[in-house]
Amino acid sequence: KNEVEQSPQNLTAQEGEFITINCSYSVGISALHWLQQHPGGGIVSLFMLSSGKKKHGRLIATINIQEKHSSLHITASHPRDSAVYICAAPVKGAQKLVFGQGTRLTINP
Amino acid sequence: GAVVSQHPSRVICKSGTSVKIECRSLDFQATTMFWYRQFPKQSLMLMATSNEGSKATYEQGVEKDKFLINHASLTLSTLTVTSAHPEDSSFYICSASILRGGSGDTQYFGPGTRLTVL
Repeated sequence: KNEVEQSPQNLTAQEGEFITINCSYSVGISALHWLQQHPGGGIVSLFMLSSGKKKHGRLIATINIQEKHSSLHITASHPRDSAVYICAAPVKGAQKLVFGQGTRLTINP
Repeated sequence: GAVVSQHPSRVICKSGTSVKIECRSLDFQATTMFWYRQFPKQSLMLMATSNEGSKATYEQGVEKDKFLINHASLTLSTLTVTSAHPEDSSFYICSASILRGGSGDTQYFGPGTRLTVL
């Protein structure tokens, strides 16, 4: 079992739909990262959070430390949101990240 | 926000040659840089962690003589793939970290370098 698990692995939705991607982890972490990787390969860091909730534009990330679970939400989804979304956690006491398998999101117009 | 660049973005080389990839933090000093590789439709795999002025720490199974890492300054790390072979073809990504302590350190990712070995 991976230390960081994401679901679903693939998600296809229509433009405008509300999207939720889930991440569960078994390691002790100091913070959790949500990353976005576009088809060209470049990775963008969306959020780093250690508690509660963060919002940036149409993106919202939440984390429940007790349940070891985080979610990434996209409101009013758009085809340009199509990408692979990856959650990653630094193992406590270390800087290196443990990555989830990624969720491939496709938003159809 | 913090920017990390990689050069080149894409390289095609012949088998047996060596290829150098640069990773630069453009507007901050990175205490630590990380090198990852990614095969198609797979997640990132950490290859090594490098701190400025010291030897890189390689992950298990990564050959340090094959993948040479030099971290000469707080803004530059290089990965050299020596005697490249087709199986080294992959997407190589670096990230740079600012050590803040406290609740966690943010890693800023470079755009990646796609290496194709013929």
